[in-house]
Amino acid sequence: EAGVAQSPRYKIIEKRQSVAFWCNPISGHATLYWYQQILGQGPKLLIQFQNNGVVDDSQLPKDRFSAERLKGVDSTLKIQPAKLEDSAVYLCASSLWANTEAFFGQGTRLTVV
Amino acid sequence: SQQGEEDPQALSIQEGENATMNCSYKTSINNLQWYRQNSGRGLVHLILIRSNEREKHSGRLRVTLDTSKKSSSLLITASRAADTASYFCATDAGAAGNKLTFGGGTRVLVKP
Repeated sequence: EAGVAQSPRYKIIEKRQSVAFWCNPISGHATLYWYQQILGQGPKLLIQFQNNGVVDDSQLPKDRFSAERLKGVDSTLKIQPAKLEDSAVYLCASSLWANTEAFFGQGTRLTVV
Repeated sequence: SQQGEEDPQALSIQEGENATMNCSYKTSINNLQWYRQNSGRGLVHLILIRSNEREKHSGRLRVTLDTSKKSSSLLITASRAADTASYFCATDAGAAGNKLTFGGGTRVLVKP
C-alpha cells in the first residue's frame, strides 16, 4: 500500500514570496490533515478535512495560509506571503476516517530567508 | 493550543531499562494515540486507546488511560537503541469533527 506522498521535500524561499505544498493521501482515506512542526516542538494542526469539507481550521493563519482539497483526494497548502516564522516542516497525514490512526508523509521542510 | 502535554520533556536511559512517559490533556476525548518520530522514518503511529479502554498492549509497549484524571502513560519495556526518538501523544477530541491534536513530546535517548 502506497503511503502519503508529499512534495516538494525541501523548499527555500525569501520572505514575502509565496509557496505551495502538495499532498496525496492514501487511497480511500476520508480524513486529511496538515500540520506545522517547528523544530523541537510537537506538530500543530493547521487544518483538517473530512472528504472535501473543512472540519477544523481554527489555527490556520487565514490572512496568509490557504488550503484546499479538491474532489476529496489531493490537497494543497499555500502560504502567501511567507514570513521568517513560517520556517518549519509541513506534514500531511491521512486516516481512513476520524477516530482512526493517522499515517504521515515525510513532510516538506520550508526555510524562509 | 495543544491539548496534550507530555512529561518528562526528555528522558535518558540505558539499553534494557524501561522508559515511562506521561501525557495529560484538558478536554474529554474520543481516543488517545501515541506516535514516535525519528529522523529516519518520520511520524509513525504506535498505539490507539479508546476512551472506554483502560489499558492496551502492543509488543513491548503498554499504554494506560485514566479518563478521570485526563492522563495517559506509555511504557516501553526492555528498551533498545532503536527506540531513541521523540514520542508524542495525540488526542482525538471534539463533538464536531474529532480533531487530532498533538502534545509537545518526550525526547527519549537510549544509550547502548
